Amino acid sequence: GAGVSQSPSNKVTEKGKDVELRCDPISGHTALYWYRQRLGQGLEFLIYFQGNSAPDKSGLPSDRFSAERTGESVSTLTIQRTQQEDSAVYLCASSLRDRVDSPLHFGNGTRLTVT
Amino acid sequence: SQQGEEDPQALSIQEGENATMNCSYKTSINNLQWYRQNSGRGLVHLILIRSNEREKHSGRLRVTLDTSKKSSSLLITASRAADTASYFCATDELGNQGGKLIFGQGTELSVKP
Repeated sequence: GAGVSQSPSNKVTEKGKDVELRCDPISGHTALYWYRQRLGQGLEFLIYFQGNSAPDKSGLPSDRFSAERTGESVSTLTIQRTQQEDSAVYLCASSLRDRVDSPLHFGNGTRLTVT
Repeated sequence: SQQGEEDPQALSIQEGENATMNCSYKTSINNLQWYRQNSGRGLVHLILIRSNEREKHSGRLRVTLDTSKKSSSLLITASRAADTASYFCATDELGNQGGKLIFGQGTELSVKP
């Protein structure tokens, strides 16, 4: 019954370290999306999952970024060898996608700061 | 890439006044959606308008869509201090099978009591 949950809510890491961000979508939502939001900016699409497959990875900015989804539920976004330009809020959203026009339900995001 | 461009970038009004935000986009769409984001939070879906619709209402919200101009507007009537937030338009592009939305840069609305 709960909404989309993301953890951690805040993450500070040193440049060069790897980070994992977690998303728990709303139960039963087949579609899951990752977006990135830089300070004061709009949302930048990263990747979309339908079930456990990722038919659209077109927004991943480099091969340092990867994501997976298991059990048609939890998803993790991994950033390897973090850079300062990776600092942003990473937002996850899920939707039913059983019909066109299903809205996206967002989590509160993970604020990543790379020092 | 960002499809939507929103205007104005920031808007400051008094409680009780109406707020109008505009959005332009570049490609053909299935639908256009508006979302709201309070500071430090995720986005919340407000309203969706399909490409074959011209106007839609929900409470104090009124959305219009002009597909010939590739533009939309969001009107909030009788604004309240609690309406203070950032508002984003998002488009579901024609031919998009995955429901991926392309978001604009947002309008930051401040409603002063």
